[in-house]
Amino acid sequence: DVKVTQSSRYLVKRTGEKVFLECVQDMDHENMFWYRQDPGLGLRLIYFSYDVKMKEKGDIPEGYSVSREKKERFSLILESASTNQTSMYLCASSLRQYQETQYFGPGTRLLVL
Amino acid sequence: GQNIDQPTEMTATEGAIVQINCTYQTSGFNGLFWYQQHAGEAPTFLSYNVLDGLEEKGRFSSFLSRSKGYSYLLLKELQMKDSASYLCAVNSGNTPLVFGKGTRLSVIA
Repeated sequence: DVKVTQSSRYLVKRTGEKVFLECVQDMDHENMFWYRQDPGLGLRLIYFSYDVKMKEKGDIPEGYSVSREKKERFSLILESASTNQTSMYLCASSLRQYQETQYFGPGTRLLVL
Repeated sequence: GQNIDQPTEMTATEGAIVQINCTYQTSGFNGLFWYQQHAGEAPTFLSYNVLDGLEEKGRFSSFLSRSKGYSYLLLKELQMKDSASYLCAVNSGNTPLVFGKGTRLSVIA
């Protein structure tokens, strides 16, 4: 079974703080993704990575950055958190092609005050 | 552009059959996924269609018509635990999956 884990299920941060969300997958998947999910807007892709140290912008990269230093780990960074970044953040991975079946982590619900 | 449409909400009765539709307009097409997502949880993979026709998997079936840009997910013998959101996602070629906004299904007694 593919396992994708995320560092926190719930997180509360203050405006202006730097926030790190960590994601780890244990199945040697090439591709990893970060989404945010908001009511009425669905899943929106923030960034994805198809290889170590490689990253590509998704649909809504503004205010976010990512890091993939190791194949199994993909980090999402909010450089200066804002209230409009309050959301559910979901990490996913896929085996070879980024169009293949994605396996999701449990999500991190982030509240920025 | 990429566009995927699904109904926002549906309600159905326990034991009944429900059909959740998905229409898509994408720059390319290499297959369509259905995911299930219970409230507060991660999406989980249900099915993948790349050829026209019906794929059956237990109580769930998924249909694809590429010429019409249309798919549906059919859930039979509905159970309360089927209350969830159902996400349609398209593999449009050389980009990551494009997700619809999801259909929230409520199963009532």
